[in-house]
Amino acid sequence: QKEVEQNSGPLSVPEGAIASLNCTYSDRGSQSFFWYRQYSGKSPELIRSIYSNGDKEDRRFTAQLNKASQYVSLLIRDSQPSDSATYLCAPETGANNLFFGTGTRLTVIP
Amino acid sequence: NAGVMQNPRHLVRRRGQEARLRCSPVKGHSHVYWYRQLPEEGLKFMVYLQKENIIDESGMPKERFSAEFPKEGPSILRIQQVVRGDSAAYFCASSPDRGVANYGYTFGSGTRLTVV
Repeated sequence: QKEVEQNSGPLSVPEGAIASLNCTYSDRGSQSFFWYRQYSGKSPELIRSIYSNGDKEDRRFTAQLNKASQYVSLLIRDSQPSDSATYLCAPETGANNLFFGTGTRLTVIP
Repeated sequence: NAGVMQNPRHLVRRRGQEARLRCSPVKGHSHVYWYRQLPEEGLKFMVYLQKENIIDESGMPKERFSAEFPKEGPSILRIQQVVRGDSAAYFCASSPDRGVANYGYTFGSGTRLTVV
């Protein structure tokens, strides 16, 4: 049974701070990992992907992967109120589809 | 280059009626996925289709739900004899032939089904 665990939150951070979103997964066969952002009432939007151990940085968003610990994280630097959303962790299953966590709700306080 | 197109955006059905949800993938994508999201809950996988084939329907309820992706035209998710518990947002996503592992999915805007 594949599982993806995320802290449901809400996670509240002040504007300008670093938000750290965490995810653990059960399927050791997963090779690719994706972070989606979903605003309330909207569809999920791909914001970051990572395939190998280490960090992958792009602008304010950094994805981190540790396959030995089966742990993926997303760091959002200089958090903005517009970053307030639910963030979904999604490992690729090996069967050409994604398995989604229930998401962490982030609130950035101005 | 249009993204994933879903219609209708909102659908209201009375209990016992049929609901048909349509999804046109990104041009060139031949893999389609349907997910259901209840209010304040996560995305639940329903079915994965490739042109004319159902690849994985492990998340599809055994009764009243069916899906197809014909050679020509959009993918259709069909819910027969709807009940109030079917009220949810239904999202369609697509991916290219080079694989989800490399590119992830592109989601459509979703269909919000309300059963009254």
